[in-house]
Parts: sequence; C-alpha cells; structure tokens
Amino acid sequence: GEDVEQSLFLSVREGDSSVINCTYTDSSSTYLYWYKQEPGAGLQLLTYIFSNMDMKQDQRLTVLLNKKDKHLSLRIADTQTGDSAIYFCAETPDSSASKIIFGSGTRLSIRP
Amino acid sequence: DGGITQSPKYLFRKEGQNVTLSCEQNLNHDAMYWYRQDPGQGLRLIYYSQIVNDFQKGDIAEGYSVSREKKESFPLTVTSAQKNPTAFYLCASRASGADFWTLHFGNGTRLTVT
Repeated sequence: GEDVEQSLFLSVREGDSSVINCTYTDSSSTYLYWYKQEPGAGLQLLTYIFSNMDMKQDQRLTVLLNKKDKHLSLRIADTQTGDSAIYFCAETPDSSASKIIFGSGTRLSIRP
Repeated sequence: DGGITQSPKYLFRKEGQNVTLSCEQNLNHDAMYWYRQDPGQGLRLIYYSQIVNDFQKGDIAEGYSVSREKKESFPLTVTSAQKNPTAFYLCASRASGADFWTLHFGNGTRLTVT
C-alpha cells in the first residue's frame, strides 16, 4: 500500500539551512505537500508541488522532487526559532482521491 | 473569520466511558475528516465524510463512531471499545472540487483516559 516515510528528528543551528527529507512509495502520486504543525495546534499547509515539477521556491522555502527516486525534500533557508515545529510530508494521487497519506512527521529543533 | 473549532482543547475521562469530541466548521466545506495523532506515528485517519448524512471508515475506525447530520458539524465519539483512546485528535475539512488537497485543521483535542 501507500507509505510515506520521514526521519523523526532534525536539529539545526539558528541561521543555517534545514533540509527535511521524505520518501514515498506510491508511483501514482500527483500532489505532494508539506504541512507544518506548531506545538498544541493543528496542521497548516506550508507548500506543495505537483509531480510534473522538479523544484518549487517560495521565499525561504525550496521544495525538490526526485520522481525517479520518489524523494521529496523541504529546504528552509536561514532557519529561525519560529521554524521550530513538526513538518509533515503528504501525498495524494489526484484531487479526487478520498484520502491524503501523511508521513510520521519530522520534529525540527533550533539550536542557538 | 472562517475556520474549524474543536472543543474542548483538553478532555479527561475514566476508562469505560464514552466521550464525544466536537468539531464545527463555518467554511462551507463538504468534506470533513477525523485524524488521530500519536507521537512518532503521524496522522491516522479514523473517519471521513464527503457529504451530509454519509461517512466512511478510515484506517483505524474500530472503537469510534461519527455522525454527519449537518454540514457544519462532524462529532466523533470515542467508545469504551477503543483500546488505547489517549491521543491527540484532529478534525479537518476540505472544499469539494478543490484543485488539490488543502486541508484546514482545527487546533485539536487532547484526550486522556485513565
């Protein structure tokens, strides 16, 4: 079945870049997403990429997609303390799909 | 402001009691979802509803029940049959016909059963 995998923890120094990685198994994945969850809150859509794209940049965020290896990454430039959160990778085969598949989430912590 | 409201934020129950978690949205979304979040396990889908008076089981529906009598409301009942009910529960909604999956989440209810 479909599966999305992420490492559980990442620690970076303030001001450095953070790179959060994700792998997925469903070759029909068309939409891939990054959601952010701050402590004690729900998830918010951070950014997304369609499978016909290799890269998407949005201010400090860069999403890279390697469809051949089924690998998705999220790079956060100039990481700040406010970026501390859990980041979830997610995928769905198409917009009519009844479900979206989430990874286990990567907890990003920032060192001073 | 439009959004999803989950209440209460914290809920404590004794083992063997049923408990109902509230989820209300004023986004006029057709589809609503309940997820369970446990540390290190991501989000697991409990139930979802794509239209009023209709709902489907997700991946971990055992021990839970839902109703969808109104578009705005999708309450989740955690029954005494749920073996490990202590968790963080998230409700979400999605507009029908959306180009892609933009799920809007509530702020969650943390349920502790002792």
